[in-house]
Order: sequence, then structure tokens, then C-alpha cells
Amino acid sequence: NAGVTQTPKFQVLKTGQSMTLQCAQDMNHNSMYWYRQDPGMGLRLIYYSASEGTTDKGEVPNGYNVSRLNKREFSLRLESAAPSQTSVYFCASRDNSGDLEQYFGPGTRLTVT
Amino acid sequence: GESVGLHLPTLSVQEGDNSIINCAYSNSASDYFIWYKQESGKGPQFIIDIRSNMDKRQGQRVTVLLNKTVKHLSLQIAATQPGDSAVYFCAENSGGSNYKLTFGKGTLLTVNP
Repeated sequence: NAGVTQTPKFQVLKTGQSMTLQCAQDMNHNSMYWYRQDPGMGLRLIYYSASEGTTDKGEVPNGYNVSRLNKREFSLRLESAAPSQTSVYFCASRDNSGDLEQYFGPGTRLTVT
Repeated sequence: GESVGLHLPTLSVQEGDNSIINCAYSNSASDYFIWYKQESGKGPQFIIDIRSNMDKRQGQRVTVLLNKTVKHLSLQIAATQPGDSAVYFCAENSGGSNYKLTFGKGTLLTVNP
């Protein structure tokens, strides 16, 4: 199993541009999460999806939208990128039964100039 | 809002020594705690977790202790190795059944050969 995969690995945007960060998991997990990590900080939750067809806001949702396309995929969209959104973005997934741990992808490093 | 914090931002130990990384949490309703290890340029990797109905849990070379009285969590690593060098994050479940994690800022562990 590949686990949690994210694309792209790196991206540079100009202020005002839009883009979608892709995340997919092959573990048949129900829940998926998007976090951002800023230098010297822990991860902060942007949005999460407890199951296919549902999404909810996390701690820092402003400026982002998400789409749970199917059970495997959970995308994060920046409609109009701002320099404050320069960060490393991590996607995670979790099985809703049994183990409670979240499995993380390798991250997308985004720079907005 | 509630937050999870760390007492020490950096910890330097000699190879073979035991390491102890501490974490304070403030949400007395948190029912689940987890430790992640993050190496440079990678996503967080699960180490060990503990539910609030336990005060100790052991894994391979790692032990997590939970003291609910003083809202304190610690990670003990036995016989620390150079490969243990990384940033360690504690996180608590602040989202009930959705398991939305609130992360601390992290502790950088450096193992000297």
C-alpha cells in the first residue's frame, strides 16, 4: 500500500492565483484531514471529512475550500492565494474503527509570493 | 481555546541515554493523546498513543505516561539512537468522535554520537 499520497510536492504561486492540492489514501479509511504547518509550529487543522460526502471546518478554514470526491480522495483548494498561506500542507486519514491514529502524507510545500 | 504545549523546545542527549520529552495539555475533557515523530522534510509518523483511562503505555523502546491530575503527558525513549533525532509532537483529541487533533509546537531531539 502507498498509504497517503499528496501532489504536488512543491508549488510556488503568485498572490491571487488559485490551485488545488490533491490527497489520496488507499487504506479504505473513512476520515480524512487537512493540516497546515508553519515554521516552528505544530500542525493546525484546516478542514476534515468524517466520511464520504461530509466536510467540516477545523481551526483555520478561512481562505480554503475542500472536496471529498470519493472515499479515497480529499482535495484542498486555495481560490485566491495569499502570502499568509505559505506553509507546508499535510493530509491525513484515519479508520473510524479500531486504531485511532491518523496516518500522514509526505506534505506539499507551498510558497505564495 | 484549549491548547497543547511543550515544556522544552529542544533536547540534546548522548547516544544510549534515555530521553524524556514532556507535554502539558489544558483540556481536561481530552480523552485521547498521541505522540508523533517528524523527520526533516517528512510527514509526522505515529509513535505511540494512550487513552485517558490509562496512565501508562509501552511500545518498543518508548513509553508514554499520562498524569491527568496535572494534565501532563510524557514520552520516554530508551537507549536513544541517532535515528531518533527528529521533532516530536504531542497531540490531544479535541474533537470528540471525529478525533480532531490539537498539536503542540514540538520538541527537537538531537542525539549526539
